[in-house]
Amino acid sequence: DSGVTQTPKHLITATGQRVTLRCSPRSGDLSVYWYQQSLDQGLQFLIQYYNGEERAKGNILERFSAQQFPDLHSELNLSSLELGDSALYFCASSVAGGRFDEQFFGPGTRLTVL
Amino acid sequence: AQRVTQPEKLLSVFKGAPVELKCNYSYSGSPELFWYVQYSRQRLQLLLRHISRESIKGFTADLNKGETSFHLKKPFAQEEDSAMYYCALSPFGNEKLTFGTGTRLTIIP
Repeated sequence: DSGVTQTPKHLITATGQRVTLRCSPRSGDLSVYWYQQSLDQGLQFLIQYYNGEERAKGNILERFSAQQFPDLHSELNLSSLELGDSALYFCASSVAGGRFDEQFFGPGTRLTVL
Repeated sequence: AQRVTQPEKLLSVFKGAPVELKCNYSYSGSPELFWYVQYSRQRLQLLLRHISRESIKGFTADLNKGETSFHLKKPFAQEEDSAMYYCALSPFGNEKLTFGTGTRLTIIP
């Protein structure tokens, strides 16, 4: 699959725990975005990276952090998990992270916090 | 702050009938508007964007700055149009996308 990949597909954990979600962008894409989709909500932008550097930040909680590695894959770390963090987390990538660049989405990781 | 509103959570339309999915936005500048679609068991994908001014799969959308709307239209619905549709906005000079809550379109055969 040459598209955006995300692992794991599903994750079930308990409150207070910490998890790491992984995203590999499309081949050649330098920019990665993270979004959160809670129940009955639209996708909420969390953070964007471009070539390893943070480019833009949205409504990302302090308990959440992300990074983009030299091989361009990205990880989203969620700590001190709360029930309300249960959501679908999407990663997207684009060629250069510009305003007019199309974002290609991954299949998402479904996080359930019990 | 920018906001995207899709007033209809669910919309059912008969095959062959016209479709209109509503999208209103609030933003003081000149945004870039998009429609994304997610078919069953598929990924979210770009359907069209207003700067392209093109018709994709028979769908068009016109940006109305006066009414701050970007409604998605298709003259004759097809069964394969059944999907979840999201309207999104990107502020000028900013790559962040703000999405609406989506409209689930069901085409009735």
